[in-house]
Amino acid sequence: NFMLTQPHSVSESPGKTVTISCTRSSGSIASNYVQWYQQRPGSSPTTVIYEDNQRPSGVPDRFSGSIDSSSNSASLTISGLKTEDEADYYCQSYDSSWVFGGGTKLTVL
Amino acid sequence: QVQLVESGGGLVKPGGSLRLSCAASGFTFSDYYMSWIRQAPGKGLEWVSYISSSGSTIYYADSVKGRFTISRDNAKNSLYLQMNSLRAEDTAVYYCVLMPYSYGFFDYWGQGTLVTVSS
Repeated sequence: NFMLTQPHSVSESPGKTVTISCTRSSGSIASNYVQWYQQRPGSSPTTVIYEDNQRPSGVPDRFSGSIDSSSNSASLTISGLKTEDEADYYCQSYDSSWVFGGGTKLTVL
Repeated sequence: QVQLVESGGGLVKPGGSLRLSCAASGFTFSDYYMSWIRQAPGKGLEWVSYISSSGSTIYYADSVKGRFTISRDNAKNSLYLQMNSLRAEDTAVYYCVLMPYSYGFFDYWGQGTLVTVSS
C-alpha cells in the first residue's frame, strides 16, 4: 500500500494563510479522493475537506483543498487564520485500504 | 442530528478480550457504512475495520486481522468490535465512524472509548 507524508508541524500568525501538504508515496494522488480532518485538543476529528476540495456544510470557506499531480500531493489551505484553527490536521485517502497521513500540528501564534 | 456513542472500553491484560459497542442515532443506520478507527495516545489516526451497510462486506487492517471482529445489528442501530488476543500496541482511543458511501470517507465520528492493554 501507499503512505501519505505530512509535515510534522507548521505555524503562522492570525490573519495569515497557511498551506499543509500531503504527499502520496506511490500511485497517483488523483486516482483516489483525498480528505482532510481537523482534530482540536481533546476532541474527536471532524471533516473539513472531502473528495479533494469539497467543504461540508458549516466549514467556513477559509478552508480549501486541492491536489497537484505534478508533485503527487494534496494541500489544505487555510486563509484568514484564527486562533480556533489551532489543531492537528490529517489527510486521508483510499486504495484497497484507508490510509491516513501522520498529521500536522498547526500552531496559530 | 447524527450521534455515535461508543462504550465498552477499559483496562485489560495482554491476551485478554474486550467488546466495544457503538449506539447510533439521528440517521437511518441500516443505510450507511461504518468503520472503527483508533488513535494511540499522542499518535495519529489508524483505520481498523470496515463493514458495509448490510454487513456482507468486511475489511480489517493487517494489524488486527485474525484478532478483531466487526459486526452490526441494524435492528438495534448498533455497531460492535470484538477484540481478542489484545496486545499493548492495541492501546488507543477507538472511534466509531459513519461513512456516507461504500469505500468513502469518514463523515461523523463518535467521542471515542479508551482501551488500555496493560498488565
